Amino acid sequence: SQELEQSPQSLIVQEGKNLTINCTSSKTLYGLYWYKQKYGEGLIFLMMLQKGGEEKSHEKITAKLDEKKQQSSLHITASQPSHAGIYLCGADRSRAGTYKYIFGTGTRLKVLA
Amino acid sequence: EAQVTQNPRYLITVTGKKLTVTCSQNMNHEYMSWYRQDPGLGLRQIYYSMNVEVTDKGDVPEGYKVSRKEKRNFPLILESPSPNQTSLYFCASSFLPGGSNGYTFGSGTRLTVV
Repeated sequence: SQELEQSPQSLIVQEGKNLTINCTSSKTLYGLYWYKQKYGEGLIFLMMLQKGGEEKSHEKITAKLDEKKQQSSLHITASQPSHAGIYLCGADRSRAGTYKYIFGTGTRLKVLA
Repeated sequence: EAQVTQNPRYLITVTGKKLTVTCSQNMNHEYMSWYRQDPGLGLRQIYYSMNVEVTDKGDVPEGYKVSRKEKRNFPLILESPSPNQTSLYFCASSFLPGGSNGYTFGSGTRLTVV
């Protein structure tokens, strides 16, 4: 099973609607990253969360980290077609004694105009 | 412009024919990494490098080799490619694993092994 699980796997929303994507870790989270990928292209870094309760925003995208639940959520307000793509969470494992950096399986978002 | 450059973008090859995918970054990043992306499996780390001459295995290293002779370059070598290595490959770099500004990714290399 995946160390970082994302839900839902895919999402189709009408333009203007709000949506939330979740990322849950099976291990302690020390830092959680969110990326966006356009189909077949490289990932673009959105934001990084380090402390429990931390919340960051990037344009209409807000992410929050719940360290106790080992979970992060990404919320998009008033979605637009430009928000479409694949959203991935990532985590580095350097505090676990390894320099691996892993990703969740991704959430595919489609926004209908 | 700060970037990670991968080449080639597309490659079709035959089983067993050695190939190299190049990766170069111009940001003086210490940490570089290779991933493969497959439907349903997400991004899986193949190898990473903390600095020149320092490399280590990720989660799916079998069938791949890497080298880090210079800070800016981190080529991925497939000595004897097989069809199960057909995938979309990404190179990425950062100052630390992930770093405070996240990874910078290359545009990807779509490899087909027939």
